[in-house]
Amino acid sequence: DVKVTQSSRYLVKRTGEKVFLECVQDMDHENMFWYRQDPGLGLRLIYFSYDVKMKEKGDIPEGYSVSREKKERFSLILESASTNQTSMYLCASSSKIQLGANQFFGPGTRLTVL
Amino acid sequence: DQQVKQNSPSLSVQEGRISILNCDYTNSMFDYFLWYKKYPAEGPTFLISISSIKDKNEDGRFTVFLNKSAKHLSLHIVPSQPGDSAVYFCAASDLIGAGSYQLTFGKGTKLSVIP
Repeated sequence: DVKVTQSSRYLVKRTGEKVFLECVQDMDHENMFWYRQDPGLGLRLIYFSYDVKMKEKGDIPEGYSVSREKKERFSLILESASTNQTSMYLCASSSKIQLGANQFFGPGTRLTVL
Repeated sequence: DQQVKQNSPSLSVQEGRISILNCDYTNSMFDYFLWYKKYPAEGPTFLISISSIKDKNEDGRFTVFLNKSAKHLSLHIVPSQPGDSAVYFCAASDLIGAGSYQLTFGKGTKLSVIP
């Protein structure tokens, strides 16, 4: 069974802390994505990567950075967490060759910044 | 400006009846359209998709219709079941380079199927 896993389901951090969210996929997908989901705003793309060591900014990259050292792993970093980064964070992956661009999502990490 | 719009934040339907979820888009370069279903505290799961060269795709109880001239698509669920109660996201794909695609999501419609 194909899977995208995220390191934590729930996380509570304090303002100013550095936060790492890890995502691993076992489908040998080239593309990986980080989104955040907020009520009434849908899914908004933070960063994506279409190859190892490659990264591209999405629609809302401010306050975030990413790392893709290995094909299967894509990390989202909050350099200095702020309360407005309290959200549900979703990681996804997709295959470059798959028509339709279907993305497979992890279960999400509910991050609360106090 | 939103490129993919779901104008109804919520929809309530009686069990056994048809659910129709709507989605509008502005970018004529989108080449695939997808629907995802999301339960609380879970990641979205893929439901059904349609290529921009088609006008209908069916999979069991789920049918997606595409009207390119109107830049409109809809998801029909017949018959609706209580387990269909979830948030449904419409998404559209376009090429981002290096042969890879990016999805643009709507804000979602919360479907409630009443027993």
